[in-house]
Amino acid sequence: AQSVAQPEDQVNVAEGNPLTVKCTYSVSGNPYLFWYVQYPNRGLQFLLKYITGDNLVKGSYGFEAEFNKSQTSFHLKKPSALVSDSALYFCAVRDRQRGSYIPTFGRGTSLIVHP
Amino acid sequence: NAGVTQTPKFRVLKTGQSMTLLCAQDMNHEYMYWYRQDPGMGLRLIHYSVGEGTTAKGEVPDGYNVSRLKKQNFLLGLESAAPSQTSVYFCASSYGGETQYFGPGTRLLVL
Repeated sequence: AQSVAQPEDQVNVAEGNPLTVKCTYSVSGNPYLFWYVQYPNRGLQFLLKYITGDNLVKGSYGFEAEFNKSQTSFHLKKPSALVSDSALYFCAVRDRQRGSYIPTFGRGTSLIVHP
Repeated sequence: NAGVTQTPKFRVLKTGQSMTLLCAQDMNHEYMYWYRQDPGMGLRLIHYSVGEGTTAKGEVPDGYNVSRLKKQNFLLGLESAAPSQTSVYFCASSYGGETQYFGPGTRLLVL
């Protein structure tokens, strides 16, 4: 079975400070990992993904995420937060070995960036 | 290139009424998905399709039916709406089960 956990319902950060949104996963084999962002009253938008290769993945809007196999984590980071980054963030995982093409999503983390 | 579109954007139903939500994608994706999003519950998969003419159940399929008669369209039907089906519904598509592209959502209120 595959699963993903986002341990924080909400993350608060001041504008200009670094931000981290946490994600841990569980799969039988090797994972595909994704981050999506949802702005109010909008659909989810793809931010970045890890398939293979370099553990540090860079994505849209200055976001990056680090794949850590030993800690089964894929935390989303940004060096300097903007108020416009305030949104709902979803981590998703798919097990490559499983032969299924259905990802599992976390429950989401609300990021609030204060001016 | 419109991506993934959903109609309608918003709908109010009375308990027992039926309706169909339409999802269309113009990216020639094989995979299409229907999710519902409820506060604190994240995204839950209702049904999905891995190709034209094929559908499969997801995590919460009860009370819903789907059809994929054309590759670009994925329809979600509610035969007899219940208040528990009040939610925001998202359609998504993907190529090979990787990055998903989501529609803007349909807000459904069942009274």
